[in-house]
Amino acid sequence: AQRVTQPEKLLSVFKGAPVELKCNYSYSGSPELFWYVQYSRQRLQLLLRHISRESIKGFTADLNKGETSFHLKKPFAQEEDSAMYYCALSGGGADGLTFGKGTHLIIQP
Amino acid sequence: SQTIHQWPATLVQPVGSPLSLECTVEGTSNPNLYWYRQAAGRGLQLLFYSVGIGQISSEVPQNLSASRPQDRQFILSSKKLLLSDSGFYLCAWSGGAASQYFGPGTRLLVL
Repeated sequence: AQRVTQPEKLLSVFKGAPVELKCNYSYSGSPELFWYVQYSRQRLQLLLRHISRESIKGFTADLNKGETSFHLKKPFAQEEDSAMYYCALSGGGADGLTFGKGTHLIIQP
Repeated sequence: SQTIHQWPATLVQPVGSPLSLECTVEGTSNPNLYWYRQAAGRGLQLLFYSVGIGQISSEVPQNLSASRPQDRQFILSSKKLLLSDSGFYLCAWSGGAASQYFGPGTRLLVL
């Protein structure tokens, strides 16, 4: 069975400090991994996907198949990064996503 | 551009009453459609998905059902609500790739 684990329910860092949101997964094949973000009073939106290998809003995430991880990183946190972050996995095709329970990121001024 | 709508935004229903939540997508054809639920303190759980009109796949046994009467319409229903059906219901669509795009959600409170 596929599973996504986000070990931190809450992560609080100061503005300007580095941020790392952890995500580990369990899947027997080659998954696609995603990070979704939900800002206060906004809908859940796609932040980035591993196959794009891009940086969005300063965030990057690298898929580490050996460690089965897909941690989200940003070198310098900004106050507007405060939000709920969800890691998600897809086995491909039309199947739905398997989500982690989310990490609430709070950036303190 | 594509947009996805859900209504109602909030719903308070008594136990035992029926439920109908609607999701529609604009700006695309033949989307894959999904219903998720987010219960308090838990992540998003996939409930149903559909790859075409009349085609519904259920991920977990439950008190709910889904239907897709039109290409861009996805409905979540129940004949008799339970207290445990309370939660935040999200509809999503994808264009065939794994990336999914979410609606604003419906908050359901069953009393």
